[in-house]
Amino acid sequence: SAVISQKPSRDICQRGTSLTIQCQVDSQVTMMFWYRQQPGQSLTLIATANQGSEATYESGFVIDKFPISRPNLTFSTLTVSNMSPEDSSIYLCSVESPWYEQYFGPGTRLTVT
Amino acid sequence: KQEVTQIPAALSVPEGENLVLNCSFTDSAIYNLQWFRQDPGKGLTSLLLIQSSQREQTSGRLNASLDKSSGRSTLYIAASQPGDSATYLCAVNGGGGSQGNLIFGKGTKLSVKP
Repeated sequence: SAVISQKPSRDICQRGTSLTIQCQVDSQVTMMFWYRQQPGQSLTLIATANQGSEATYESGFVIDKFPISRPNLTFSTLTVSNMSPEDSSIYLCSVESPWYEQYFGPGTRLTVT
Repeated sequence: KQEVTQIPAALSVPEGENLVLNCSFTDSAIYNLQWFRQDPGKGLTSLLLIQSSQREQTSGRLNASLDKSSGRSTLYIAASQPGDSATYLCAVNGGGGSQGNLIFGKGTKLSVKP
């Protein structure tokens, strides 16, 4: 299984600011995913990030709000832009193994005040 | 559109009891199904992966079954322990045009009492 780290683990941010979350994997992977887990809810996919191409966003999520970078096969960032209290969530990155099993990072707990 | 439902939403059992968690999905055209465990405020730990061609998978005290035609999966936990207390999430890969992305249920919150 892959070992995934995320930074920061948690943050408290003010309304209108932006936060960039980093995701690092210990092996090269083709696909990385970003999910959001709002309080009391299950996980929802934000976007899929492939190295060397634009991220693919799910319905309800847009690049201007959640820009993603994927500069190489072990690293990705998700930025939450112009934050509002509704963005308070746990943000998780995941990777997919060659046999289509997904492994998740520890998550970034974001609180927007 | 693929939808995943987990029943019950919460479950409390005494230590040592065997228990079953249920997961159902609306579109049977899936690639696989994964069961995860999530501790409060933490990320997800993968417990078991069942490929669409498989009927069950076992890991220690855990056994997961898959009936793709009826859109159902169960997670069986034998001899439950207080350390099993967590939220258990079921997720399907594929179906409903999701193109291989995971669709999650809302989870079952398990509490095992000493």
